[in-house]
Amino acid sequence: EVQLVQSGAEVKKPGESLKISCKGSGYTFTNYWIGWVRQMPGKGLEWMGIIYPGDSDTRYRPSFQGQVTISADKSISTAYLQWSSLKASDTGMYYCARRPGNQPFDYWGQGTLVTVSS
Amino acid sequence: EIVLTQSPGTLSLSPGERATLSCRASQSFSSTYLAWYQQKRGQPPRLLISGASSRATGIPDRFSGSGSGTDFTLTISRLEPEDFAVYYCQQYGSSLTFGGGTKVEI
Repeated sequence: EVQLVQSGAEVKKPGESLKISCKGSGYTFTNYWIGWVRQMPGKGLEWMGIIYPGDSDTRYRPSFQGQVTISADKSISTAYLQWSSLKASDTGMYYCARRPGNQPFDYWGQGTLVTVSS
Repeated sequence: EIVLTQSPGTLSLSPGERATLSCRASQSFSSTYLAWYQQKRGQPPRLLISGASSRATGIPDRFSGSGSGTDFTLTISRLEPEDFAVYYCQQYGSSLTFGGGTKVEI
């Protein structure tokens, strides 16, 4: 059974750093892209970026370039999304999702809620 | 970036009724790269349709997709209670973008 299991909810202060994770199982992790999607409170879905764990090829949506870093450790089938300096506007739910080749996201993680507040 | 505009923002219907959701793109693209997702409150999105009209595994046939070019439609033939949710379109041919969503409510 394909599963993407994300790390738990986080509460941080502005300026702090954060790295959240997404662990894949039930499939060959290196053969599928993993994307990250933001959903701000009460709002829609925004694609942030995507990584191919097989060779770490990473693409960012321009509006997120430089704001976050996406990485993966294929030895433990885990992808990451990290911030070096959080802002209150980073508050939201963050989903990872699997993408088979040039197809849409077919499996999603349960989401990680990030709250940034002073 | 291809911008997707979904309408209406909210659709108020009753169980058993037909729902028609629209997704319009800022520029034409191949229907091969249009998907629809359903998101219920407190849950991640679920893939319904890919390639504009192909249902994902396990999706009931009351869900159908159509369209080409810049205009795409998701139709739910007869609403079941579990279908009341938010629906998003997505293009995945030129980078990735989502529409703003349509809420289907009772």
